[in-house]
Amino acid sequence: QLQLQESGPGLVKPSETLSLSCPVSGGSISSTSYFWGWIRQPPGKGLEWIGSIYYSGRTYYSPSLKSRITISVDTSKNQFSLQLRSVTAADTAVYYCAQATAGSAGWFDPWGQGTLVTVSS
Amino acid sequence: QSVLTQPPSVSGAPGQRVTISCAGITSNIGAGHDVHWYQQLPGTAPKLLIYTNTNRPSGVPDRFSGSKSGTSASLAITGLQAEDEADYYCQSYDNSLNSWVFGGGTKLTVL
Repeated sequence: QLQLQESGPGLVKPSETLSLSCPVSGGSISSTSYFWGWIRQPPGKGLEWIGSIYYSGRTYYSPSLKSRITISVDTSKNQFSLQLRSVTAADTAVYYCAQATAGSAGWFDPWGQGTLVTVSS
Repeated sequence: QSVLTQPPSVSGAPGQRVTISCAGITSNIGAGHDVHWYQQLPGTAPKLLIYTNTNRPSGVPDRFSGSKSGTSASLAITGLQAEDEADYYCQSYDNSLNSWVFGGGTKLTVL
């Protein structure tokens, strides 16, 4: 059974970089059938897709966040990562990593449990 | 403001049927992109409920069903149960944004 688990600091200062990783267990991140995605949810609000990556390193980013994000994959560690630069309070959210079926028709399943990241000095 | 439009809330009594709509436009649902639905119970991560418009993953009760027509999609829940009280989100892909997009979410209250 595939499992994902977000890890990283729960508190980040304004203007700094938010860094999260998502180790994958129970399956290979090098599968050609899947993308690996990041989604966030501000407190009390809805879901926002951040970006996705294929095992080859091909990335797909949200236009609204593209200038500030980098998503990378480490096949040797079977994990993928998110960096969000120049954070503000508006980036405070629960961040989820998820497997996504490859292609524009894809859906996200399964999801990690999520990790709350608060941006505050 | 979300790309896909859902009603903020719906409600129903136990045993009743409710539907949740997901309205898109010609660049997403109307372009033929599939719609998927997620259930988010309080304090938990979203869980896939319906994929590719009408399909239920293993373990999802057949009380949940999805449909799609034109530029919109719907999630129907029959035989409402207290455990169905949750937030529900639709998701698709948008050609203009080159992005996977979510609806704003609908809070289901079981009266």
